[in-house]
Amino acid sequence: AQSVTQPDIHITVSEGASLELRCNYSYGATPYLFWYVQSPGQGLQLLLKYFSGDTLVQGIKGFEAEFKRSQSSFNLRKPSVHWSDAAEYFCAVGASSFGNEKLTFGTGTRLTIIP
Amino acid sequence: GAVVSQHPSRVICKSGTSVKIECRSLDFQATTMFWYRQFPKQSLMLMATSNEGSKATYEQGVEKDKFLINHASLTLSTLTVTSAHPEDSSFYICSARDRGGGREKLFFGSGTQLSVL
Repeated sequence: AQSVTQPDIHITVSEGASLELRCNYSYGATPYLFWYVQSPGQGLQLLLKYFSGDTLVQGIKGFEAEFKRSQSSFNLRKPSVHWSDAAEYFCAVGASSFGNEKLTFGTGTRLTIIP
Repeated sequence: GAVVSQHPSRVICKSGTSVKIECRSLDFQATTMFWYRQFPKQSLMLMATSNEGSKATYEQGVEKDKFLINHASLTLSTLTVTSAHPEDSSFYICSARDRGGGREKLFFGSGTQLSVL
C-alpha cells in the first residue's frame, strides 16, 4: 500500500530565509508525487508534481521539489520565503500523473513565517 | 480559474442528527468528485469516489449507509453524515475532476469542519 510521511508537523521560518519541507513516500511502482498548499479558508492548490523526467521539478510561487528515488523522498524547497507562504503544505502520492486517482496524503506541515 | 465551492465551511451539530455537505464545481462539469476526511494530526484519507448518475465507490472501512453520497448533477455532489456521533467529528474536503478542454485537473474545495456534540 502506498503511504506518505511528512515528519515535520510545524515549521517556523523567518521571512527571507530558505525553506525545506520533508516528504518520504512508500509506493510499489513508479510514484506520481504532488505537493499541495492550503491557505486558511481556501481549498488545496497544486504547487507542483512529478511523474517522470527531470528529478528537479519547478512549481508555482517559486517552489521546487526534488525527487530522490534512493531516499524515497520528494522534499519541497524555496530559496526565500514570503509572509504569504504561511499555510499548510501537503505531500501526496497518486496512481496517475493527474492526481485524480486515489491520492494518498501526508499529515501536512504547517508553515509559520516570522518577520 | 476553475473553482470548487464547498459548503458549509464549519458546522456544529448534536449527536444523532444528520449533516449535509455540498461540493459544487462552479465553472466546469465534474463527472467525478472525491470526498476526503482528515482527523486531527492525521492524513487526508479518501472516503469515496462520487460519479455523476451512478452509485459512489467507497473505500474499504467507510460505511456507505453512514456517509451518503449523491452526485445527481454534473456540478454538485453532496455528502450526508447520517446520525452523526462525536467520533464523526472531522475535517471533510471534496475535490472535483475537470476534464474540459483536453486537460485533466483536480480542484479541491476549502473543506468543512464538522463538530458533533
